[in-house]
Amino acid sequence: SQELEQSPQSLIVQEGKNLTINCTSSKTLYGLYWYKQKYGEGLIFLMMLQKGGEEKSHEKITAKLDEKKQQSSLHITASQPSHAGIYLCGAEIGGSGDKLTFGTGTRLAVRP
Amino acid sequence: GAGVSQSPSNKVTEKGKDVELRCDPISGHTALYWYRQSLGQGLEFLIYFQGNSAPDKSGLPSDRFSAERTGGSVSTLTIQRTQQEDSAVYLCASSHGYGYTFGSGTRLTVV
Repeated sequence: SQELEQSPQSLIVQEGKNLTINCTSSKTLYGLYWYKQKYGEGLIFLMMLQKGGEEKSHEKITAKLDEKKQQSSLHITASQPSHAGIYLCGAEIGGSGDKLTFGTGTRLAVRP
Repeated sequence: GAGVSQSPSNKVTEKGKDVELRCDPISGHTALYWYRQSLGQGLEFLIYFQGNSAPDKSGLPSDRFSAERTGGSVSTLTIQRTQQEDSAVYLCASSHGYGYTFGSGTRLTVV
C-alpha cells in the first residue's frame, strides 16, 4: 500500500478557480515537501513544512501541515495556465533526514 | 555547480545492454539520492548515499542495478542487461541536510 496518498489523482479546473490537493499518511511526517513537475523536466521545489499546524505561502500557492503532522494540503488561488503540471508531495516518514517518500502525484490542467 | 546535473538527458538502449547514468550533485551536498519515475507512477526510491557510502540500498529493484559515488561527489547508476521494464526517468537529488534539489533526470528507453 502507498505510504503517502495524494488526492485527487487528476484535476481539470477553469482558469481563475481555486483548487486544493491533499497528501495523507497514516504515519507521522517529519518533513513534508511539495514539488511541481512539468513533462520531461525535473522537480521544482515549492515549499517545505516541518511543524504541526505550519502554513506557508508563495505567490498564489499555500501549503499547510495539520497539527498531527499526518496530512498536508496545497491550495492554489485563482489558478492560471502556468500552474498546470504534476504536483508531488514527498515526506521524511522514517524520521528527520530520512529519504523522501513520494505520493503518486496530482496532474493539474488549467483551462484558459 | 549551481544545480544538480544529470547526463545523459536521454538514452535509448537495446535490451540486454548495460547503461551508466551520471549525477553531479550540488557542491558540498553530502547526501545524494537516486529515484525512478515510471510512466504514470510516482517517484520510487532506489538508493541513498551519505558521502561515498550507501546506508540505504533498499530500493534497488534487482542485482542488475548498482550505484557508486566517488570523492563524495559524482555518482553513477549502472543497469546491467537492461530490460524493457527498466524504461523510466531516473532522477537524482542532493541535499545538505535541509531540502532536496533534483536534477532534470535521464529518460531511459529500452527497446
